Amino acid sequence: DADVTQTPRNRITKTGKRIMLECSQTKGHDRMYWYRQDPGLGLRLIYYSFDVKDINKGEISDGYSVSRQAQAKFSLSLESAIPNQTALYFCATSDTEHSNQPQHFGDGTRLSIL
Amino acid sequence: KQEVTQIPAALSVPEGENLVLNCSFTDSAIYNLQWFRQDPGKGLTSLLLIQSSQREQTSGRLNASLDKSSGRSTLYIAASQPGDSATYLCAVNQAGTALIFGKGTTLSVSS
Repeated sequence: DADVTQTPRNRITKTGKRIMLECSQTKGHDRMYWYRQDPGLGLRLIYYSFDVKDINKGEISDGYSVSRQAQAKFSLSLESAIPNQTALYFCATSDTEHSNQPQHFGDGTRLSIL
Repeated sequence: KQEVTQIPAALSVPEGENLVLNCSFTDSAIYNLQWFRQDPGKGLTSLLLIQSSQREQTSGRLNASLDKSSGRSTLYIAASQPGDSATYLCAVNQAGTALIFGKGTTLSVSS
């Protein structure tokens, strides 16, 4: 089983709909991140969380919200989806105790907004 | 603001060639630098991580170097194979928080 699991893997929806992307991890890491990847733009940070009660905005947080329900779960919501939010979304985790260690990524969620 | 640049954006080589991918960053105050591989439509696989105090890391045919003072890292791939075809991403970690990514180099190795 994957250490970082994202659901759904693919989603097609319409403009104006509310969407939630889920991320769960079994690595026991306390830090979790959401990134989006657009063709030609690389990955950009949306939100990150260092603990259950800690939420921080990243470079491109507008139009998104997150919830850290438990140490192992970090969900990303699009309250009213718009076409330019079509992208590949990645969740990642890292460990505070060994903060100079690699980040671990899920397989991504491909989201299309029509 | 930290910016990460990868050159070239795309590279095509015949099988067996040794090659170098380049990554540069504007702020040398980094925690570490990580190289990833991404296959089309897939997630990111971590290849090598170099701590700020290190000069290089090696894993099999891969060698990554880091020169913090000049803001540069290179990923050296020896004896390239068609299975090495993928996009390679460089990312820097500042203050132990989130990663800042370059746009990647797409490598194609022909047999």
